[in-house]
Amino acid sequence: GAGVSQSPSNKVTEKGKDVELRCDPISGHTALYWYRQSLGQGLEFLIYFQGNSAPDKSGLPSDRFSAERTGGSVSTLTIQRTQQEDSAVYLCASSSDGTGSKKLFFGSGTQLSVL
Amino acid sequence: AQSVTQLGSHVSVSEGALVLLRCNYSSSVPPYLFWYVQYPNQGLQLLLKYTSAATLVKGINGFEAEFKKSETSFHLTKPSAHMSDAAEYFCAVATGTASKLTFGTGTRLQVTL
Repeated sequence: GAGVSQSPSNKVTEKGKDVELRCDPISGHTALYWYRQSLGQGLEFLIYFQGNSAPDKSGLPSDRFSAERTGGSVSTLTIQRTQQEDSAVYLCASSSDGTGSKKLFFGSGTQLSVL
Repeated sequence: AQSVTQLGSHVSVSEGALVLLRCNYSSSVPPYLFWYVQYPNQGLQLLLKYTSAATLVKGINGFEAEFKKSETSFHLTKPSAHMSDAAEYFCAVATGTASKLTFGTGTRLQVTL
C-alpha cells in the first residue's frame, strides 16, 4: 500500500478481554516498530522487528503483551487480559533500514479504550 | 543505553518569533538524532535527521537543528514561527542502523498572534 495501515482505528474493550491490533507496513520495509502513546507520556517503545533478526522486545511492559510479524510483513500486537492502564494510542511504524536512514513512516494508530 | 531528554513539555511563542525546542541526548556511541513532528490529528512525520555528516541539519518547513557533541545537544530552531507550526515535536535517538529509535516525551509548541 501507499502507507502504513493500522486496524482497527478504534477499539473499545472490557477489562480482562484480549485484543489484537494489526499493522500493515509499507511494502519492502524491513523494519517495523510498535510504540504506545499515552496522554502526556510521549512515545513509549514496545517492540522492534528488523528483517530476520530476533525482535527487540525490551519495551514490552508485561507478559500480557506480545507481538509477531509473519512473513516479514504484517504484524499483530496482542494484549491479553486488558487493564485500564492499557488504554492508549498504539502506533506502528516501518522503515527501510537497509539504507540506515531510520526514517520511520507511521500509521494513524489504534486508539484502545479499556472500560 | 540511549535516551533523549526534551526540556519543556510546552513552549509558547508569538508568530514571527524565534522557535527553540531543546533536546539533550545520552548515548555511549556516536548517535543518530532525529526530530519528528505530529500535527493535530495527524501521524508523526520526519522533520530532520543527523547521521554523522554535517552538524547543522536543515529540515522541512524552515526548521534546522545543530548537533553539538560537547553539549550532547540537538536543539531544534526556526527563525520565525508561523501559526501552522503549532504541533507536538519529538526528539529521537538511535545508536546504529540496526538499533531501535527511542523518543523523548515531546514538546507541544503553541504559536500565538
